[in-house]
Amino acid sequence: AQSVTQPDIHITVSEGASLELRCNYSYGATPYLFWYVQSPGQGLQLLLKYFSGDTLVQGIKGFEAEFKRSQSSFNLRKPSVHWSDAAEYFCAVVLMDSSYKLIFGSGTRLLVRP
Amino acid sequence: DTAVSQTPKYLVTQMGNDKSIKCEQNLGHDTMYWYKQDSKKFLKIMFSYNNKELIINETVPNRFSPKSPDKAHLNLHINSLELGDSAVYFCASSRDTSPLHFGNGTRLTVT
Repeated sequence: AQSVTQPDIHITVSEGASLELRCNYSYGATPYLFWYVQSPGQGLQLLLKYFSGDTLVQGIKGFEAEFKRSQSSFNLRKPSVHWSDAAEYFCAVVLMDSSYKLIFGSGTRLLVRP
Repeated sequence: DTAVSQTPKYLVTQMGNDKSIKCEQNLGHDTMYWYKQDSKKFLKIMFSYNNKELIINETVPNRFSPKSPDKAHLNLHINSLELGDSAVYFCASSRDTSPLHFGNGTRLTVT
């Protein structure tokens, strides 16, 4: 069955340190891939997306993600984390079967140490 | 200019009651969705409507009934509320294969 895995439930980094959040998917073809961020009490905001083309995609707030077909991964990175980045991060894929269905991973909570 | 707006933001009610959550989008999108986020933050799709037609119905109890009066609105009515219905419900919209735009959620608490 198609699935999205975020192996890290939570990650703590120091402000200014680099960040990488992992995401793996299980899907027969290359899906559409997304990263969303959810701040406490808020909805989900799109950080970036990958449909095709360049496997390194740039997003908002200084985030980037790299699609690696051989590893079925779409990891999110940021070179220098800010305290305001503390939030829940969700990787998601769209299954292009008979409908356009967005499937989410279980999320990774990012904590930022001052 | 809120793109996807949901009302109410908070909803506290007793078991057995019937309640509705409303959603409106002003993005001109043709597809709208309802997602449920449980206490562990897991997000799961419930329904999707395209041009007022139901296209996704993910094994949701019959007590949940979505209604789309037009392309810009997708409401969720819940009958006979149960404790397990407590969650945050998110509305979203999209157009063709564009990314989903989400509302800020409705936190439903059933006591």
